[in-house]
Amino acid sequence: AQRVTQPEKLLSVFKGAPVELKCNYSYSGSPELFWYVQYSRQRLQLLLRHISRESIKGFTADLNKGETSFHLKKPFAQEEDSAMYYCARRGGSGAGSYQLTFGKGTKLSVIP
Amino acid sequence: KAGVTQTPRYLIKTRGQQVTLSCSPISGHRSVSWYQQTPGQGLQFLFEYFSETQRNKGNFPGRFSGRQFSNSRSEMNVSTLELGDSALYLCASSSQGATGNEQFFGPGTRLTVL
Repeated sequence: AQRVTQPEKLLSVFKGAPVELKCNYSYSGSPELFWYVQYSRQRLQLLLRHISRESIKGFTADLNKGETSFHLKKPFAQEEDSAMYYCARRGGSGAGSYQLTFGKGTKLSVIP
Repeated sequence: KAGVTQTPRYLIKTRGQQVTLSCSPISGHRSVSWYQQTPGQGLQFLFEYFSETQRNKGNFPGRFSGRQFSNSRSEMNVSTLELGDSALYLCASSSQGATGNEQFFGPGTRLTVL
């Protein structure tokens, strides 16, 4: 079965401090990896995907196939980054590979 | 373009009843996926419809069903409701299939089963 693990339910950092949200996925083929974000009272939206290799709102994520990780990073946290972050995978091989499989999410709280 | 819309936004039902939720995708999108979100299990995939055909299904009992119409609007039905079905139900649309395209999410329907 496809799995995505986000070990931290809650992460609190001070404004201006670096942020790293961890994500590990089960190995099976070559999946696509995504980060979704949900701000308070807003709908779930795509933040970035590994194939784009781009930086969105200062966030970057590098796919590490050896460690099967896709951690989300930002060098300097801002208060507006406070939100729920979900890591997700799609593709690869095996049952359920066609669908988006989400981790349980990490709530990021940036302290002013 | 207007975003994904879901109706109703809130719903209260009692055990044993059935419920139908509706999702209107972004204009031109042919794929609609449904997810259940609960505090304990997080976001779980229910099923995906593309051009009126169910293409993919998650691990949910047969009480959960869906369909898609020719205009790409989709409905999800849950029969014989149980307390554990209380959740936020999200739908997402994409322009083509589930692979290779960004999914755009609706605001969700909050279902409470009493």
